[in-house]
Amino acid sequence: SQKIEQNSEALNIQEGKTATLTCNYTNYSPAYLQWYRQDPGRGPVFLLLIRENEKEKRKERLKVTFDTTLKQSLFHITASQPADSATYLCALGRGSSASKIIFGSGTRLSIRP
Amino acid sequence: DTAVSQTPKYLVTQMGNDKSIKCEQNLGHDTMYWYKQDSKKFLKIMFSYNNKELIINETVPNRFSPKSPDKAHLNLHINSLELGDSAVYFCASSPAQGLDQPQHFGDGTRLSIL
Repeated sequence: SQKIEQNSEALNIQEGKTATLTCNYTNYSPAYLQWYRQDPGRGPVFLLLIRENEKEKRKERLKVTFDTTLKQSLFHITASQPADSATYLCALGRGSSASKIIFGSGTRLSIRP
Repeated sequence: DTAVSQTPKYLVTQMGNDKSIKCEQNLGHDTMYWYKQDSKKFLKIMFSYNNKELIINETVPNRFSPKSPDKAHLNLHINSLELGDSAVYFCASSPAQGLDQPQHFGDGTRLSIL
């Protein structure tokens, strides 16, 4: 069955360092991959989308890579700040049908001052 | 000026009751969704509507019935609530169908069944 794994339940990073989160998938060939941020008690907020024919996407301090051979996406936050502390979710999809959307369970990121 | 708003934020009720959750979006989007987030934090899609028309109905008990009176509203009615229905339910919208459309989520309704 289709499966998404995000690297760990929690990640602690010193402020200023680069945080790297991993999203691995099996038994699936996504056409798109999205990353969301979720704060406690709030809904997910869309951050970035990357397509299967794109290797890398950037937005300010965020960078996403998509390796369809390794079946993996990496999400980087450079110059991390305590305000970046949140849970980050990856979501995969194929085709135009939203029913193919699969979310990971997220990685809780904590940036310590 | 909240983009996607859902009410109530918390819902505590007894097993067997019927309850509704309301959702409204003011983004002018064509597509709306209901998701369930369980205790392990997995988000699973339940329903999707495009311009008031049901386009996705995942494997969900028929005790759950969505209703879309217009494209800005998608409500969720749940009959005969069971303990396993306890979860956070999120409403979302996107400009159109397709995963290449960013989804805008509400802040969730935390449903607790006693």
